[in-house]
Amino acid sequence: DIVMTQTPLSSPVTLGQPASISCRSSQSLVHSGGSTFLSWLHQRPGQPPRLLIYKISNRLSGVPDRFSGSGAGTDFTLKISRVEAEDVGVYYCMQATQFPWTFGQGTKVEIK
Amino acid sequence: QITLKESGPTLVKPTQTLTLTCTFSGLSLSTSGVGVGWIRQPPGKALEWLALIYWNGDEYYSPSLKSRLTITKDTSKNHLVLTMANMDPVDTATYYCANRLGKGNTGAFDVWGQGTMVTVSS
Repeated sequence: DIVMTQTPLSSPVTLGQPASISCRSSQSLVHSGGSTFLSWLHQRPGQPPRLLIYKISNRLSGVPDRFSGSGAGTDFTLKISRVEAEDVGVYYCMQATQFPWTFGQGTKVEIK
Repeated sequence: QITLKESGPTLVKPTQTLTLTCTFSGLSLSTSGVGVGWIRQPPGKALEWLALIYWNGDEYYSPSLKSRLTITKDTSKNHLVLTMANMDPVDTATYYCANRLGKGNTGAFDVWGQGTMVTVSS
């Protein structure tokens, strides 16, 4: 199985300031077809996860442009340009390049 | 608009078989490219991918749970069923079904059900 490792596990941030979450995979996520299937999800307490970004950097329709994804190979990053109160919760990366699909352990973002 | 909703028992006893239903609208598992997956989340813990079924009947399971899991789809009723045999207290979790984004290979779940909490206890 591909192991997804997120850092940090907890990120206290100041409103209006940027935040960054790293996700590293135990092997390359480049699929044989050339695409890289790395997505980012956000989960608020008591809610199901919500997809933010897929294939490294594609924002789902309706996701604010303060969220951006980048990376390649085994190293990926989710950035929030200016954190808003509604951004608190847990962020997960997920790989779907190889079965079984696997998630990172989650990064909790909270306001300082 | 795609919606999914999970249903099933809230409490099962150890060794019993869990049967969960995912009822959906706005998508059809007989349409080329469609895929629906199951994911679970133990209380306070991370998400765990369980299984995925595609419109063409291809099924994929978590290797660690493969011997215990079965997905079946009923395209006429717009639902799919997940069964998990030999339940154990460590299987206590919220179980989600989710739609795979798009008809092509996107590798992401864009629409999730609200989840159903299952407790395994005698």
